[in-house]
Amino acid sequence: EDQVTQSPEALRLQEGESSSLNCSYTVSGLRGLFWYRQDPGKGPEFLFTLYSAGEEKEKERLKATLTKKESFLHITAPKPEDSATYLCAVDSTGTASKLTFGTGTRLQVTL
Amino acid sequence: GAGVSQSPSNKVTEKGKDVELRCDPISGHTALYWYRQSLGQGLEFLIYFQGNSAPDKSGLPSDRFSAERTGGSVSTLTIQRTQQEDSAVYLCASSLTTGAHGYTFGSGTRLTVV
Repeated sequence: EDQVTQSPEALRLQEGESSSLNCSYTVSGLRGLFWYRQDPGKGPEFLFTLYSAGEEKEKERLKATLTKKESFLHITAPKPEDSATYLCAVDSTGTASKLTFGTGTRLQVTL
Repeated sequence: GAGVSQSPSNKVTEKGKDVELRCDPISGHTALYWYRQSLGQGLEFLIYFQGNSAPDKSGLPSDRFSAERTGGSVSTLTIQRTQQEDSAVYLCASSLTTGAHGYTFGSGTRLTVV
């Protein structure tokens, strides 16, 4: 059974204070690892897909990396508008296109 | 449409009543998914439709839950004889194809069973 564990559960940063969110996963065969951002009262918004170990993707202040066991979402010099819950999910060969999600990291960035 | 549309956005129902939740996916997206998000829980897969293939119902928690997708487009999730544990946000997503591609989610229907 695929498993996704995210840490920390919650993170409070000051504006400009860089940090990383962790997503550890166990799958039968990884087809893709996804990062989503979710704002209160909204559905998750797609950020990145990573397909293989060593791959990196960037978007503005966010950078996602992937190893064979985990993924990191690095946030550089965050701003208050980066405050949201960040979700990690995996698509594996064992689950026929159903994503398995972690419980997310709630990020709060203060001035 | 421009995005995935779900209705209603909020639904309060009495225990034992039936409810229907609607999802209108992005035009041309062949894959459609329903997930449930409970407080403090990760998104839980419910059901998946791909084109004209038989749906994957493996995530439905009980036979009180059912879903259909008409004409390869709009989908309805029906919960019969609602229970308090059914209270959650029900999210619909669609994608162009299956496999390792990002979904586009709707904003969800918040269901409260009282």
